[in-house]
Amino acid sequence: GQQVMQIPQYQHVQEGEDFTTYCNSSTTLSNIQWYKQRPGGHPVFLIQLVKSGEVKKQKRLTFQFGEAKKNSSLHITATQTTDVGTYFCAGPPGSTLGRLYFGRGTQLTVWP
Amino acid sequence: NAGVTQTPKFQVLKTGQSMTLQCAQDMNHEYMSWYRQDPGMGLRLIHYSVGAGITDQGEVPNGYNVSRSTTEDFPLRLLSAAPSQTSVYFCASSYSVQGARNEQYFGPGTRLTVT
Repeated sequence: GQQVMQIPQYQHVQEGEDFTTYCNSSTTLSNIQWYKQRPGGHPVFLIQLVKSGEVKKQKRLTFQFGEAKKNSSLHITATQTTDVGTYFCAGPPGSTLGRLYFGRGTQLTVWP
Repeated sequence: NAGVTQTPKFQVLKTGQSMTLQCAQDMNHEYMSWYRQDPGMGLRLIHYSVGAGITDQGEVPNGYNVSRSTTEDFPLRLLSAAPSQTSVYFCASSYSVQGARNEQYFGPGTRLTVT
């Protein structure tokens, strides 16, 4: 079954509103990665979080890794039309070397 | 560097036909993997390889074979195509299996339709 759960599946916001997507794993993750896929494109790496409780920022994007290393979130402040796409989290189960499980993604639509 | 390349970009097969999706990377990456992407299902891992000569199954391996005879190439073989294998297939690679440099670089994808 799906190892990494991601919600919501879809999010529609007006430009300027904030957006958050959440990722939960049934097992402890050694790290969590976030990717963005533009419509018709391929996933592109955004960031990796490794430490428990870690918070990283990239301009308007804030990424968090939970204390138990089982959940993570991506928050976008004041969305822009360029943020449109699907955001995926991915994590390797701590005990299985080599596997990387992706969440189903959150598809973000931004209305101008 | 070309990064990760995939061929073909599009393919239509008839049920029962076999074919090989090609994937190559020129970044000397140790780890390579194949995913399929279906609407609402995200990216599901088919097979992966942690180095030349080493492969293992992912979440949805049935109906697919892989081999890794060189560091650069990781072809995916469909043995007898079925309509359920209609999907977009992505190949990905990363420098290492774990640690600080295991971010995935994805190819442009192959859009496969099985009729």
